[in-house]
Amino acid sequence: EPEVTQTPSHQVTQMGQEVILRCVPISNHLYFYWYRQILGQKVEFLVSFYNNEISEKSEIFDDQFSVERPDGSNFTLKIRSTKLEDSAMYFCASSTSQSYNEQFFGPGTRLTVL
Amino acid sequence: QKEVEQNSGPLSVPEGAIASLNCTYSDRGSQSFFWYRQYSGKSPELIMFIYSNGDKEDGRFTAQLNKASQYVSLLIRDSQPSDSATYLCAVRRGSTLGRLYFGRGTQLTVWP
Repeated sequence: EPEVTQTPSHQVTQMGQEVILRCVPISNHLYFYWYRQILGQKVEFLVSFYNNEISEKSEIFDDQFSVERPDGSNFTLKIRSTKLEDSAMYFCASSTSQSYNEQFFGPGTRLTVL
Repeated sequence: QKEVEQNSGPLSVPEGAIASLNCTYSDRGSQSFFWYRQYSGKSPELIMFIYSNGDKEDGRFTAQLNKASQYVSLLIRDSQPSDSATYLCAVRRGSTLGRLYFGRGTQLTVWP
């Protein structure tokens, strides 16, 4: 069964450093998402991406964040200058459409900012 | 007002019982509703989705939606210890494209 994959599974970085989190969505999916979950808190939407551009972003997704689809398979989330409060699990998800179709989540990347 | 609210639990039921999980949402224009299961330290796993008022059954799981009351629930019949997890309710609002709003989840424990 096809699945979303993410790398790395765990990333440790120093405050102020840049990190890139990588995702490979399910191959026939067209819509891609990033969510995050701070430990003990709810899953929060960051951004959605379609046709090589952002279609929606939340108030969390400020200028420190960017997304890119550098090739036909990868989907990346970059945090330019990490803060302590960026420590969280970051989940990539994909779906065949934005309207009614379900989103399938990858296993996540645990980001720890020291 | 919170977008999506769930009882945090924990909800504890014996093996074989019915577990009932509830969720309310604030945006009356919400269009689609999802239940995810999340084991500790893992990612959300989709269990069911529902768009229309009424019940939708899939195996041991039944989702119920009442848009007038802005209420969605998940029933798990014949609960098993392997069902022990946190259950997340997620809602897609009519005014957004694909963004899901999640509740904080209800922790379910099924004891043998």
